[in-house]
Amino acid sequence: AQKITQTQPGMFVQEKEAVTLDCTYDTSDPSYGLFWYKQPSSGEMIFLIYQGSYDQQNATEGRYSLNFQKARKSANLVISASQLGDSAMYFCAMEVGLTGANSKLTFGKGITLSVRP
Amino acid sequence: GAGVSQSPSNKVTEKGKDVELRCDPISGHTALYWYRQSLGQGLEFLIYFQGNSAPDKSGLPSDRFSAERTGGSVSTLTIQRTQQEDSAVYLCASSLFGQGTDTQYFGPGTRLTVL
Repeated sequence: AQKITQTQPGMFVQEKEAVTLDCTYDTSDPSYGLFWYKQPSSGEMIFLIYQGSYDQQNATEGRYSLNFQKARKSANLVISASQLGDSAMYFCAMEVGLTGANSKLTFGKGITLSVRP
Repeated sequence: GAGVSQSPSNKVTEKGKDVELRCDPISGHTALYWYRQSLGQGLEFLIYFQGNSAPDKSGLPSDRFSAERTGGSVSTLTIQRTQQEDSAVYLCASSLFGQGTDTQYFGPGTRLTVL
């Protein structure tokens, strides 16, 4: 069975600082994908970044980067230059199986990030 | 282009009534997913449709839950004889099969309250 663990309590960061949100995962399948989603108070789930298990380099998307450590089974999200609009709940999720096969996502419980002005 | 849309955005019903929740995926997306988000259980997978294949119903919590997808596009999630524990936000997502990262794009959700 697949599992995503997000154990950090609510996180606080000063505006313009960088912050790391932790995610560890567990699966026995060698093929998987890791996703981060942002859920602001309005409720919509916004896709941020993706990392495939066979990707050689860490994924980056603008201010978001994923610190992928395969041996440690961790996929931490790094947000650089935090903005007030980054305040939200952040979910780490995993899809098991080959890219293109499509399958359900298993989510962690989420981390609340608050950005202070 | 338009994203995933869901209706209604809010639904309040009485215990024992049936409800239907609708999802309109992104045009051209062949995969459609339903998830449920509640305070106690977090985000849970319910059901997944892919093209004309048999749906993956492994996440449906009971036989009171069913879903269909007509014409490979719009999907309806039906909950019969609603219970208070069905109160949650029901999220729909769609993705483009066989392309890139299989990223699932979510709709705004339907908040269901069972009184």
